[in-house]
Amino acid sequence: QVQLKESGPGLVQPSQTLSLTCTVSGFSLMDYSVHWVRQPPGKGLEWMGRMKYDGDTYYNSALKSRLSISRDTSKSQVFLKMNSLQTEDTAIYYCTRENVMDAWGQGASVTVSS
Amino acid sequence: DIVMTQGVLPNPVPSGESASITCRSSKSLVYKDGKTYLNWFLQRPGQSPQLLTYWMSTRASGVSDRFSGSGSGTYFTLKISRVRAEDAGVYYCQQVREYPLTFGSGTKLEIK
Repeated sequence: QVQLKESGPGLVQPSQTLSLTCTVSGFSLMDYSVHWVRQPPGKGLEWMGRMKYDGDTYYNSALKSRLSISRDTSKSQVFLKMNSLQTEDTAIYYCTRENVMDAWGQGASVTVSS
Repeated sequence: DIVMTQGVLPNPVPSGESASITCRSSKSLVYKDGKTYLNWFLQRPGQSPQLLTYWMSTRASGVSDRFSGSGSGTYFTLKISRVRAEDAGVYYCQQVREYPLTFGSGTKLEIK
């Protein structure tokens, strides 16, 4: 059974760094890519970046200077780090599988506030 | 970046009727392999998005045949036949033809 689960802090201070983990099961990170997508409250979906099955990464140019995606295949985990957080980064952050995005995590709610 | 533009539905849609959601891309989504790289998702309130169709018209596993995707290289339609209460939510189209991947702004479906 394919599953993805996001975890991380619910509250981050402005200007600080967000760290999220996506733990997957039911498939291998060496066979499938994982994407990060976020959704601000009451708004639409924004693609953030991708960790490809071969370890290659690709980022949304709007976030590229602040964003880093990495992984630990032995733990079936993909990591998102984004620095210099502002209130507009308040959102639900999802990880999802492959370009078809056929499986999603339940989302991690992140609030940027002092 | 490829811009995805979605249409609006005349809500609410009576249960049992059909509904068609439109999506337009600023660039053709047909790749050299002949496939059209367009996904449709449904996001019910409080839930994660759910894949409905990919490659424009291929239904995802477990998705009802009441959902059908169609279109050309830049104009797409998701048709929902015999709408039911469980179909309510926001529908998103997404292009995966090239990076950055981009979503439409969403189309809300309400059921009467």
